[in-house]
Amino acid sequence: SQTIHQWPATLVQPVGSPLSLECTVEGTSNPNLYWYRQAAGRGLQLLFYSVGIGQISSEVPQNLSASRPQDRQFILSSKKLLLSDSSFYLCAWSFGGGSGYTFGSGTRLTVV
Amino acid sequence: ELKVEQNPLFLSMQEGKNYTIYCNYSTTSDRLYWYRQDPGKSLESLFVLLSNGAVKQEGRLMASLDTKARLSTLHITAAVHDLSATYFCAVARGGGGADGLTFGKGTHLIIQP
Repeated sequence: SQTIHQWPATLVQPVGSPLSLECTVEGTSNPNLYWYRQAAGRGLQLLFYSVGIGQISSEVPQNLSASRPQDRQFILSSKKLLLSDSSFYLCAWSFGGGSGYTFGSGTRLTVV
Repeated sequence: ELKVEQNPLFLSMQEGKNYTIYCNYSTTSDRLYWYRQDPGKSLESLFVLLSNGAVKQEGRLMASLDTKARLSTLHITAAVHDLSATYFCAVARGGGGADGLTFGKGTHLIIQP
């Protein structure tokens, strides 16, 4: 069966520091991968999605970037964090079409 | 631009009562998803609705999709406290399904004994 792993679960980082959040999917090949952000008490905002290695589509201009170095690995990065980057970050995978979207357990990032 | 609107955004109800959450979306789509989120947790998939007239039921929850009206409903029957959570509807973007989901703002549901 397919599983999705996200880490770390919580992270406290100072303003101006770099960020790297990792997401991996097991038990499948060539999934579509997604990064979402959820501010406290709000809905989910799509940040990036990828349909293959090295293929990244960005939805919202910001100081975040994403990379997909391997088929089942998706990384969210920042060179310099802002206070406004504090949020709950969720990774998801899907096969597209009529298949479901499965979410990881999330990373709660606090920038101080 | 696809927009998804849920209402109500907040709902407090008593156990044993019935209620419906509504999800309207702005552009044509035949793929709609319902998720549940508990405080501090990730999203749990409830229903995937893939065609006009689709109806799915799980326990006290039933979801339906009317693509012509661009409306989905999540109906709660004889609510129990364990159903307290935030419920999100989401609509697939694009035609191929790879573009991800656009979410509503969520309905925060509190069920009181």
